[in-house]
Amino acid sequence: KQEVTQIPAALSVPEGENLVLNCSFTDSAIYNLQWFRQDPGKGLTSLLLIQSSQREQTSGRLNASLDKSSGRSTLYIAASQPGDSATYLCAVSTYNQGGKLIFGQGTELSVKP
Amino acid sequence: DTGVSQDPRHKITKRGQNVTFRCDPISEHNRLYWYRQTLGQGPEFLTYFQNEAQLEKSRLLSDRFSAERPKGSFSTLEIQRTEQGDSAMYLCASSPIAGANTGELFFGEGSRLTVL
Repeated sequence: KQEVTQIPAALSVPEGENLVLNCSFTDSAIYNLQWFRQDPGKGLTSLLLIQSSQREQTSGRLNASLDKSSGRSTLYIAASQPGDSATYLCAVSTYNQGGKLIFGQGTELSVKP
Repeated sequence: DTGVSQDPRHKITKRGQNVTFRCDPISEHNRLYWYRQTLGQGPEFLTYFQNEAQLEKSRLLSDRFSAERPKGSFSTLEIQRTEQGDSAMYLCASSPIAGANTGELFFGEGSRLTVL
């Protein structure tokens, strides 16, 4: 059974700092991995998707890496801003599972001005 | 294309009442998923449809829950005889299949249920 864990559960950093969020999964037979952002009381916004054959994806100040063999992914946020404050969720899908995602519990990020 | 749409955004009900949520996926997305999210937790999978066929149901989906997607377009999630433990955000997502599909899921804004 696939399990996804995110560490830390919460993180507070000063504005401008670079930071890394961690995600680990127990079954390396994944189809893809997605990182999402969730603002309080809102739905999920997709940030980055990494296919199983890829090692990383970049979008603006965000960079996500994937190491299937070790069951790990990281989300790197450069030059953090107060507007980055949100909960970040990692999710994986596995083959023959109809594309459903298994989520971690999220990392709540607070960027202080 | 306006994205995945969910209605209502917030529902307050008394214990024992029935509630129904609606999800309109992105047009031409074959797959539609329902998730439940409680405070401080990640979303948990409930069920998914491929066109009008319900292909998988989680054990979280008790017999008080029923989901339909009658014409392969919008979907409804009904909760009968609501309990306080049903209070959560109910999220809907859709994705295309085949072709250039990357497997990316697109989520709606969610429907928040509060059971008093």
